[in-house]
Amino acid sequence: DGGITQSPKYLFRKEGQNVTLSCEQNLNHDAMYWYRQDPGQGLRLIYYSQIVNDFQKGDIAEGYSVSREKKESFPLTVTSAQKNPTAFYLCASSRRDRGYNEQFFGPGTRLTVL
Amino acid sequence: QKEVEQDPGPLSVPEGAIVSLNCTYSNSAFQYFMWYRQYSRKGPELLMYTYSSGNKEDGRFTAQVDKSSKYISLFIRDSQPSDSATYLCAMSASRDGNKLVFGAGTILRVKS
Repeated sequence: DGGITQSPKYLFRKEGQNVTLSCEQNLNHDAMYWYRQDPGQGLRLIYYSQIVNDFQKGDIAEGYSVSREKKESFPLTVTSAQKNPTAFYLCASSRRDRGYNEQFFGPGTRLTVL
Repeated sequence: QKEVEQDPGPLSVPEGAIVSLNCTYSNSAFQYFMWYRQYSRKGPELLMYTYSSGNKEDGRFTAQVDKSSKYISLFIRDSQPSDSATYLCAMSASRDGNKLVFGAGTILRVKS
C-alpha cells in the first residue's frame, strides 16, 4: 500500500534534548512538508522541500531543522532552541505537476516535553 | 488578523441535519480552496477541492467559493455520527499546491 508513515506515534522529550521525527513516503512524490498543529490553531508550516537536497523555511522554522537526502525521507529535528515544542506534528507529501497537487498527510507524531 | 478565519466551534447537530461550515480569508491571491476532515489523533484527509469561484458537489458534500466576498463554505447534507470530526479549510495561491494556509478547524459533533 502506498502512503506516508511517521514514527514514533508518541514521543517524550526532556527539556534541553534534541529529538528527530521520522517521515517516509512511498508515493514517489517530489514535495514533502512538515506542519505543527496546536489546539485551536490549525496547521502551521515548519519546513517544506520540493526536491531532494533542497528545502525552504515555512512560517515557524525557528528551533527546527530538516534534511532531504532521499526522495522518500524528510526527517524533522526539534532542537532545544524550540521554546514550546509540545504539539502534534504532521508530515505531508505531494506531486509537483502543473496546477493543483493534493497534499497527503501521515498519521502524525505527538511530542510532549516533560 | 489571521489570513484565514474559521470558527473553532464545537458545532453540535442532530443526526440528519444540514451542516454549514465556513471560512473567511483576506488574501485575494488565493485560487485553490480545500476542505480537509481530521478524525481525532489522525492526519487530515482531503474532502473537497475547488478552484476559483463556484460550487462543487460530491455525494452529501457541497463546497462553495465566493471570491468576491472572500468566503468559502462546506455543506454536509443528512449528517451522520461518522461525520463527527474536525473540518479544516485550507487555501493556496501557488499553482503547485505548496504553502497551504489553514484555518483553525471547526469541531463538528453529530448526535444520534
